[in-house]
Amino acid sequence: EDQVTQSPEALRLQEGESSSLNCSYTVSGLRGLFWYRQDPGKGPEFLFTLYSAGEEKEKERLKATLTKKESFLHITAPKPEDSATYLCAAGGGADGLTFGKGTHLIIQP
Amino acid sequence: DAGVIQSPRHEVTEMGQEVTLRCKPISGHNSLFWYRQTMMRGLELLIYFNNNVPIDDSGMPEDRFSAKMPNASFSTLKIQPSEPRDSAVYFCASSSIHPTDTQYFGPGTRLTVL
Repeated sequence: EDQVTQSPEALRLQEGESSSLNCSYTVSGLRGLFWYRQDPGKGPEFLFTLYSAGEEKEKERLKATLTKKESFLHITAPKPEDSATYLCAAGGGADGLTFGKGTHLIIQP
Repeated sequence: DAGVIQSPRHEVTEMGQEVTLRCKPISGHNSLFWYRQTMMRGLELLIYFNNNVPIDDSGMPEDRFSAKMPNASFSTLKIQPSEPRDSAVYFCASSSIHPTDTQYFGPGTRLTVL
């Protein structure tokens, strides 16, 4: 059974304080590792897809990386508007995506 | 592109009533997914369709839940009869070709069953 575990469950940072969110996955035949951002009262918003170990992608203050067992979402010099829940999902085989429970990130000014 | 459209955005109903949630996927997308999100369990896949055909409904909680996709631009998720434990946010998502391609989510329907 595919599994995705995210840590920490919640993270509070000061504005400008860089950190990383972790996503550990167990998937048979990974087809893609996805990161989403979810704001309160809204649907998940797509951020990145990573397909193979060693791949990295960046968008503004966010950088996602992938190994054979984990993915990290690095947040550099975050701003209050980066506050959200970040979801990780793994796709394998023909069963759609398996989501983690997310990391609730708060950036304090 | 209008994105995935869901209606209603909020639904409040009484236990025992029938509830129907609606979804219009992104035009040209072949796969459609229904998820349920709660604080305790996170995002759970209920069912997904590929080319309008249900492929995996193993996440549907019980027989009270049913889903249909009569054409490529419309899907419904029905709960009959509804129970308080069905209260959650229900999301619809679509992807372009394969079920593990990038999924794009709608805004969700917040369901409250009293």
